[in-house]
Amino acid sequence: QSVLTQPPSASGTPGQRVTISCSGSSSNIGSNTVNWYQQLPGTAPKLLIYRSNQRPSGVPDRFSGSKSGTSASLAISGLQSEDEADYYCAAWDDSLNGLYVFGTGTKVTVL
Amino acid sequence: QLQVQESGPGLVKPSETLSLTCTVSGGSISSRSYYWGWIRQPPGKGLEWIGSIYYSGSTYYNPSLKSRVTLSVDTFKNQFSLKLSSVTAADTAVYYCARLYNGGIKWGYYYFMDVWGKGTTVTVSS
Repeated sequence: QSVLTQPPSASGTPGQRVTISCSGSSSNIGSNTVNWYQQLPGTAPKLLIYRSNQRPSGVPDRFSGSKSGTSASLAISGLQSEDEADYYCAAWDDSLNGLYVFGTGTKVTVL
Repeated sequence: QLQVQESGPGLVKPSETLSLTCTVSGGSISSRSYYWGWIRQPPGKGLEWIGSIYYSGSTYYNPSLKSRVTLSVDTFKNQFSLKLSSVTAADTAVYYCARLYNGGIKWGYYYFMDVWGKGTTVTVSS
């Protein structure tokens, strides 16, 4: 049911910059702000970015988010081994009676 | 520090009703700033939003599950609950409860889960 499309995987060496894209439509990313969640192996998701580019308290500033039109992106600069996780974008979708949609997810591997 | 925790049976038979409860601690479920919701994740798959509820009882459901889902809230116990009827093997998943913020210029403009439970695994099998 995912209407937000992400690349299945991304990778980088420690210290590198990795960017994850999230493609949506006018009814979701085009109309509402985007959130990003990080899910470490075997754990619950954690809010990483909200309102497209805001970091909750405690999230390192090497994580940044942006949005343009119907697409969004998450950048991880200065990649660290503990960043190896699944990342999901998400946004409210105004279609039908409305629903919250998650992206397909991206597995980030630190080489 | 507000926390939420899921509880309920880990095994449900096909065609029966899955029932889970989320207990909120360290804060009030009656906070006017927040909603409460459920998200699930089938084994090896991505996240799916099930629905959300306000302390007043107003609800929003995923259209794909709406006919089978009921959310309720008990402000006295500081808990909210999920019932999913007529379950099949496709409903096998880790179920998470979460606190949600909703605000902005219109419904859903700012909508995100900022506190998550650890999740509970529910298996549908006879």
